[in-house]
Amino acid sequence: KNEVEQSPQNLTAQEGEFITINCSYSVGISALHWLQQHPGGGIVSLFMLSSGKKKHGRLIATINIQEKHSSLHITASHPRDSAVYICAVNSGGSNYKLTFGKGTLLTVNP
Amino acid sequence: DGGITQSPKYLFRKEGQNVTLSCEQNLNHDAMYWYRQDPGQGLRLIYYSQIVNDFQKGDIAEGYSVSREKKESFPLTVTSAQKNPTAFYLCASSIDQGAGEAFFGQGTRLTVV
Repeated sequence: KNEVEQSPQNLTAQEGEFITINCSYSVGISALHWLQQHPGGGIVSLFMLSSGKKKHGRLIATINIQEKHSSLHITASHPRDSAVYICAVNSGGSNYKLTFGKGTLLTVNP
Repeated sequence: DGGITQSPKYLFRKEGQNVTLSCEQNLNHDAMYWYRQDPGQGLRLIYYSQIVNDFQKGDIAEGYSVSREKKESFPLTVTSAQKNPTAFYLCASSIDQGAGEAFFGQGTRLTVV
């Protein structure tokens, strides 16, 4: 069983819809990351959070440490948001090591 | 602009040949990492380096080798011992070995024929 589970695996939405992608993890963590991967393959870090909520433009990330769960929300989705969204956790310790989810493929249709 | 540069973007090699993937960063980061991505799987850690002249094996290091002679550079060699080398390879760096934000390169897609 993967330590980081994302849902859904695939998500198709119409432009303007509110999007939610979920991430659950089974280990204690020091930080959780949300990443975006476009078709070209490069990855961009969207958020790194260890508690509460962060907002950047139309993107909002929340985390509940007690429930070991995080959500990524996209408001007023746009076709350019189409990408793979990846959740990753840092389980801490002396070495930086990320454990990744398998990603959620988001397609936003015009 | 600061960032991580991977080259080349696409690489083709014949089976049995060693191949080296380049990763350079000008972010002054101490820590650098190599990940492998396969379809339907999460990224997996191959090697990481916390400081110059030091590196550690990740979860899937067999068939790979690295060096860290300079802070800016962390090349990955895919050797002929790697049984299934065709994959997408991503390099990343972070400011230190703690829970710092990671910055990723654009990746190299290696195809072995």
